[in-house]
Amino acid sequence: DIQMTQSPSSLSASVGDRVTITCRASQNIKTYLNWYQQKPGKAPALLIYAASTLQSGVPSRFSGGGSGTDFTLTVTGLQPEDFATYHCQQTYSTLYTFGQGTKLEI
Amino acid sequence: EVQLLESGGGLVQPGGSLRLSCAASGFTFSSYAMSWVRRAPGKGLEWVSGISGSGASTYYADSVKGRLTISRDNSKNTLYLQMNSLRAEDTAVYYCAKDDYGGNAGYYFDSWGQGTLVTVSS
Repeated sequence: DIQMTQSPSSLSASVGDRVTITCRASQNIKTYLNWYQQKPGKAPALLIYAASTLQSGVPSRFSGGGSGTDFTLTVTGLQPEDFATYHCQQTYSTLYTFGQGTKLEI
Repeated sequence: EVQLLESGGGLVQPGGSLRLSCAASGFTFSSYAMSWVRRAPGKGLEWVSGISGSGASTYYADSVKGRLTISRDNSKNTLYLQMNSLRAEDTAVYYCAKDDYGGNAGYYFDSWGQGTLVTVSS
């Protein structure tokens, strides 16, 4: 199975900050990498797919990049509603896998 | 509007069984693959199982293979997860997710249910 490793596992930041979360795959997954945001008690929501394509309705302060094994999610100008847990997911293999999540805290 | 509504969660003893359902609406159900994803307390998301639109192909994470069975009834727009030989480590919120295909963009979960809690404990 393809292992996905996110870092950091938790991150403290302030409103207005720029933060970057990284996700590393155990093998080349091209750009079959998605990012989800999950708030407490809620279902995950798709933010970015294919490594860098913003899902409809997602604010432009979110951006994604990378290919192969190394990927990033960047939030520029954090807003109060952005404090949540972020998950990366690979869909290169039919056995999808997620990273362990990154909790973004105030 | 796409809606996914899970049901069937609850408290079950180790070794017991449970069947989860996910009622879908707002899209042509049979045209889309579907998945089950879970999140255990204090852990990240774990993809559990997936099924093609026709139901002909199924996929499982190693952690659940042989114990959990995914299926679908396209006439009822419903996805199922039959859970047998349950263990404490299966305790989690279980979500169903619609698996969209973006061509060169690959697959991604563009819609999720609200989740149903499964607790395995004596």
